[in-house]
Amino acid sequence: DAGITQSPRHKVTETGTPVTLRCHQTENHRYMYWYRQDPGHGLRLIHYSYGVKDTDKGEVSDGYSVSRSKTEDFLLTLESATSSQTSVYFCAISESGFAEAFFGQGTRLTVV
Amino acid sequence: SQQGEEDPQALSIQEGENATMNCSYKTSINNLQWYRQNSGRGLVHLILIRSNEREKHSGRLRVTLDTSKKSSSLLITASRAADTASYFCATFEVGNDYKLSFGAGTTVTVRA
Repeated sequence: DAGITQSPRHKVTETGTPVTLRCHQTENHRYMYWYRQDPGHGLRLIHYSYGVKDTDKGEVSDGYSVSRSKTEDFLLTLESATSSQTSVYFCAISESGFAEAFFGQGTRLTVV
Repeated sequence: SQQGEEDPQALSIQEGENATMNCSYKTSINNLQWYRQNSGRGLVHLILIRSNEREKHSGRLRVTLDTSKKSSSLLITASRAADTASYFCATFEVGNDYKLSFGAGTTVTVRA
């Protein structure tokens, strides 16, 4: 399995609080992604990174921000959590453009 | 809206039967990939087919790609209980080598 670790694996938080999810990789892959998975929607891209400090928005980026200060870590921050952000969040990495992606085990986030 | 859409949404078959699922997408692609997700787990890459390929095999998996119809199919032959999972297609659009977009998935149940 590709070396990807997501933390935490589960989190319950209150509406309005900031939350940060961490994705850590040991593969030295250039590309990193954050997706959310909701029933009936499959995986939707939140943000992605194509290098250190190089990030861009995906299709559902409102309410989320990311940072990548070093190759191995990609952080996803919910600036002020809302109930609509209750979801399972997946991090993925890819070695190069157009290549296969390797996924973490996911973080189940519940906003109450 | 999402790039890929799988059909059917759900499929139930007997062990030993073949399972076929389809994926349609909207824009020109560099490649199309299929992933499997077991319940509660991250996604696992199955197979990648490039836009200039029409068919590809990997073990019991057969993937076809018709770029004129913007569609792909995944065939699992001689299904097993362990094939019970959700299957997703994902695409890289031409000119965008770091944005991997997923469909909503097909849930396959293989009955013993």
